[in-house]
Amino acid sequence: EPEVTQTPSHQVTQMGQEVILRCVPISNHLYFYWYRQILGQKVEFLVSFYNNEISEKSEIFDDQFSVERPDGSNFTLKIRSTKLEDSAMYFCASSPTGPEKLFFGSGTQLSVL
Amino acid sequence: GENVEQHPSTLSVQEGDSAVIKCTYSDSASNYFPWYKQELGKGPQLIIDIRSNVGEKKDQRIAVTLNKTAKHFSLHITETQPEDSAVYFCAASRGSGGYNKLIFGAGTRLAVHP
Repeated sequence: EPEVTQTPSHQVTQMGQEVILRCVPISNHLYFYWYRQILGQKVEFLVSFYNNEISEKSEIFDDQFSVERPDGSNFTLKIRSTKLEDSAMYFCASSPTGPEKLFFGSGTQLSVL
Repeated sequence: GENVEQHPSTLSVQEGDSAVIKCTYSDSASNYFPWYKQELGKGPQLIIDIRSNVGEKKDQRIAVTLNKTAKHFSLHITETQPEDSAVYFCAASRGSGGYNKLIFGAGTRLAVHP
């Protein structure tokens, strides 16, 4: 069964460093998303991406965040200068039809020290 | 703004009992309501969804009901089994098109005791 894959599974970084979280969405999907989940809290929307551009972003997704689909298979989330409060589980998701039938990856646990 | 409230935050049942989780949403334009199950160390997985033109949908031991007037929707799990233990999230969106996001509830941690 096709699945969304995310790497790395865990990322530890120092405050102020740049991190790139990587995702390979399901191959025939057209809509891509990043969500995050701070420990014990709800899953929060960060950004949606369609047709090679951001279609919507949340207040969390400020200038420190960017997304890219550098080739036909990868979808990345970059945080330019990490803060302590960026520590969370980051989930990538993809869908063939928009915000329905989202398929989530297993997440990248980001720890900012 | 858009918000989804979910109750209870934790639910403990005996194997074989039923479990009910309830959600309310604030955005009247929401028309798609999925439920996700998240097991430890994994991402959320879609288990059932319902659209606003349907009042109830069932898939084996799980069912979802929707009251659009009251802006409530609920997940019902019958004959619970230990493998049903997980965190369940409800969500709402305005539907397809790629330009609308899923808004999640805070989650319900379900524990099914043998």
